[in-house]
Amino acid sequence: DTEVTQTPKHLVMGMTNKKSLKCEQHMGHRAMYWYKQKAKKPPELMFVYSYEKLSINESVPSRFSPECPNSSLLNLHLHALQPEDSALYLCASSHPQTGYGYTFGSGTRLTVV
Amino acid sequence: AQTVTQSQPEMSVQEAETVTLSCTYDTSENNYYLFWYKQPPSRQMILVIRQEAYKQQNATENRFSVNFQKAAKSFSLKISDSQLGDTAMYFCAFMKHYSGGGADGLTFGKGTHLIIQP
Repeated sequence: DTEVTQTPKHLVMGMTNKKSLKCEQHMGHRAMYWYKQKAKKPPELMFVYSYEKLSINESVPSRFSPECPNSSLLNLHLHALQPEDSALYLCASSHPQTGYGYTFGSGTRLTVV
Repeated sequence: AQTVTQSQPEMSVQEAETVTLSCTYDTSENNYYLFWYKQPPSRQMILVIRQEAYKQQNATENRFSVNFQKAAKSFSLKISDSQLGDTAMYFCAFMKHYSGGGADGLTFGKGTHLIIQP
């Protein structure tokens, strides 16, 4: 299995809703990442987990809350989002130190209304 | 902090031609990795090629090859015999080697939109 699977593929949520994005990989990678990508822009790093511990938080607002329950799963909990948070959210995984096998999921297209 | 610069916002070539996308980067790190990713309209990020900075030999993957010049901090991508399916946004990215138990994210350039004309 050489894939990173993200669910859901599309999500529309209101500003008062609580929702979660899910990411799963079975490649044995011990680093997992969340990126945010706006249209016609490069992905921007949000969070890095290494060996199930949060190692990087790129000053992301607290309305985004990551969670890594085990070495295969990564969640992103969303609460009280703003319309400007609408974007493609990409999950990725890799070998931690070397970035070997750095693989992205197909993303969740989030719309906040 | 690292920066990655892609100076060509858009390029267009005929099918079967060879095209080179440029990328320069700035870092004080000595041990790092460089990547080229392709993002077609589906927005799936697809790894094209990966280069380890400590390796002098340029990486190749079928029709894709890089020209890695460490001293010049340059990392260009050459696509030979270009095909219609190569039409996509191409991102150059940098990742520093993380000692110990940590990991680093990718720093991306702004991208080059490559169009292959029939």
